[in-house]
Amino acid sequence: GAVVSQHPSRVICKSGTSVKIECRSLDFQATTMFWYRQFPKQSLMLMATSNEGSKATYEQGVEKDKFLINHASLTLSTLTVTSAHPEDSSFYICSARDLRTMNTEAFFGQGTRLTVV
Amino acid sequence: AQSVAQPEDQVNVAEGNPLTVKCTYSVSGNPYLFWYVQYPNRGLQFLLKYITGDNLVKGSYGFEAEFNKSQTSFHLKKPSALVSDSALYFCAVRPPVNFNKFYFGSGTKLNVKP
Repeated sequence: GAVVSQHPSRVICKSGTSVKIECRSLDFQATTMFWYRQFPKQSLMLMATSNEGSKATYEQGVEKDKFLINHASLTLSTLTVTSAHPEDSSFYICSARDLRTMNTEAFFGQGTRLTVV
Repeated sequence: AQSVAQPEDQVNVAEGNPLTVKCTYSVSGNPYLFWYVQYPNRGLQFLLKYITGDNLVKGSYGFEAEFNKSQTSFHLKKPSALVSDSALYFCAVRPPVNFNKFYFGSGTKLNVKP
């Protein structure tokens, strides 16, 4: 299947700083990528849908000024957690769909473990 | 409202025994159904999907799932469990009205004991 690469896999940052997470589709193009957050022992919560060349669509309750999403190309979307706080510590996962084949499944990155101290 | 339910937080099975991880859904129309597996600190790996056709679909690592429209279920099965199958399993649904949206179940932790 298609490969989605997420970087970094782990990051520790201080409160008040910003952290950028990258999501790349390595061998396919994706006009749409998705960002999820996963709390321990819980399911994935969709945060936002990232659209190439346009503004992201945020789910209800997700602060768009807190979680900045940029989708500048067909293979790269970034999530920036601004002014991070300990409660932002979580596992963040991105996913993308392969538009060439219109495969129905989404492919997921390996996730980023964010710890804010 | 669209929803996916995985009624069991945890399933324990002995190695070599068959396993079943349950999933039911509530979605309008004919949804696409998926199973994903997640290992610790990793993203989700696609296992299998049901779009249309045979109700029994086969996927990766010997897993299969049976679609039952009348019961709105899509249970994951494997005839003989391996210790390496121990992981977190997620059922997901994509409704026909919005192909960009995935609804995930709460996940089921599968423990396979030697």
